[in-house]
Amino acid sequence: AQSVTQPDIHITVSEGASLELRCNYSYGATPYLFWYVQSPGQGLQLLLKYFSGDTLVQGIKGFEAEFKRSQSSFNLRKPSVHWSDAAEYFCAVGAQNQGGKLIFGQGTELSVKP
Amino acid sequence: DAGITQSPRHKVTETGTPVTLRCHQTENHRYMYWYRQDPGHGLRLIHYSYGVKDTDKGEVSDGYSVSRSKTEDFLLTLESATSSQTSVYFCAIMGASGGAYNEQFFGPGTRLTVL
Repeated sequence: AQSVTQPDIHITVSEGASLELRCNYSYGATPYLFWYVQSPGQGLQLLLKYFSGDTLVQGIKGFEAEFKRSQSSFNLRKPSVHWSDAAEYFCAVGAQNQGGKLIFGQGTELSVKP
Repeated sequence: DAGITQSPRHKVTETGTPVTLRCHQTENHRYMYWYRQDPGHGLRLIHYSYGVKDTDKGEVSDGYSVSRSKTEDFLLTLESATSSQTSVYFCAIMGASGGAYNEQFFGPGTRLTVL
């Protein structure tokens, strides 16, 4: 079955510290991968996407993610977290010829300590 | 801004009543989606549309129907609302160009409470 797993429900990091949010997927086809961020009471904003090519992708707000096919992972990273990064983060996977449908992970809530 | 609006933004209703949520887009995108968001589940696809009058079911379609009579509007109907349908509902469009796959852009959401 197709699935996306975000193993960490909640993570707390200190401001200025580095961040890595994990995402693992199980998908039969070549995946298209996405990270979205959701601030409280808001909709989802796309941080970055991977379709093909360079496996290290850069996104907005200083985020990057690395696609590792051998590990079925697409982890999100940021070298220095800011208080404004506190939000919920969702990993999602789709594929070509699937009507654009996405499967989302359960989400990881990020808290930032001053 | 992908030009997506949802109405209403908040609704409280009673069990057994019909409810229709509206998604409106201004950019003529072919693909539109309805998701529900619940704690611990992320977002789950309810129904989607790939053109006027062309719709298909998603992962959690039971108890929901959709209609798309115009490109810009995608309606989600709960024929007889139940408390299990209390959720936040998001509409999305796929920024497809020439049929190529692309990312989805989300509306602001509708918070629905069924008492």
